[in-house]
Amino acid sequence: DAKTTQPPSMDCAEGRAANLPCNHSTISGNEYVYWYRQIHSQGPQYIIHGLKNNETNEMASLIITEDRKSSTLILPHATLRDTAVYYCIVRVSHAGNMLTFGGGTRLMVKP
Amino acid sequence: KAGVTQTPRYLIKTRGQQVTLSCSPISGHRSVSWYQQTPGQGLQFLFEYFSETQRNKGNFPGRFSGRQFSNSRSEMNVSTLELGDSALYLCASSPDRGWNGYTFGSGTRLTVV
Repeated sequence: DAKTTQPPSMDCAEGRAANLPCNHSTISGNEYVYWYRQIHSQGPQYIIHGLKNNETNEMASLIITEDRKSSTLILPHATLRDTAVYYCIVRVSHAGNMLTFGGGTRLMVKP
Repeated sequence: KAGVTQTPRYLIKTRGQQVTLSCSPISGHRSVSWYQQTPGQGLQFLFEYFSETQRNKGNFPGRFSGRQFSNSRSEMNVSTLELGDSALYLCASSPDRGWNGYTFGSGTRLTVV
């Protein structure tokens, strides 16, 4: 699986959009970009995934650059409950139930 | 519907003992995988079971083992516990091996003293 690079920490004001970047310059054509988050003392929670098109669901939007070498997870209106560690993972979709987690980005949403 | 259930929630064991952790996946999910999370190493994949067969294994010593039952419930066992085995052990389930959204349990926090 391709390696990902994320900033170790970010702050965001409550009610504002949180934009979390991820670099994956060695991504292969059949690798998807996945985002999970982990709120303190809980298991990771799936947020969204995509291949090359932008994706949106009830939790977030995923913007993938045209060359697919980077992506941004957008939480449109961050709340205090969005404070968590966010993991960007790149992998082939049929690779079985194995996720390779990096260090992630610790997002702190402040009032 | 009920989520992934892990028991026990907390556990304290002595070095050299063995421990068994349990994971009940979401009803209908056939794939169960286990992860270890420590402050130093982060989240690391242990192994995956699908239809009672181990499909993938991470880079952990043989002291770590697991199994899956016909009802998809899974257990993992750690023998001859070491202080470094203290960690949060997480279980994740999915309907099948190709499913993209995995659901994690809240984990079992194991402390080895």
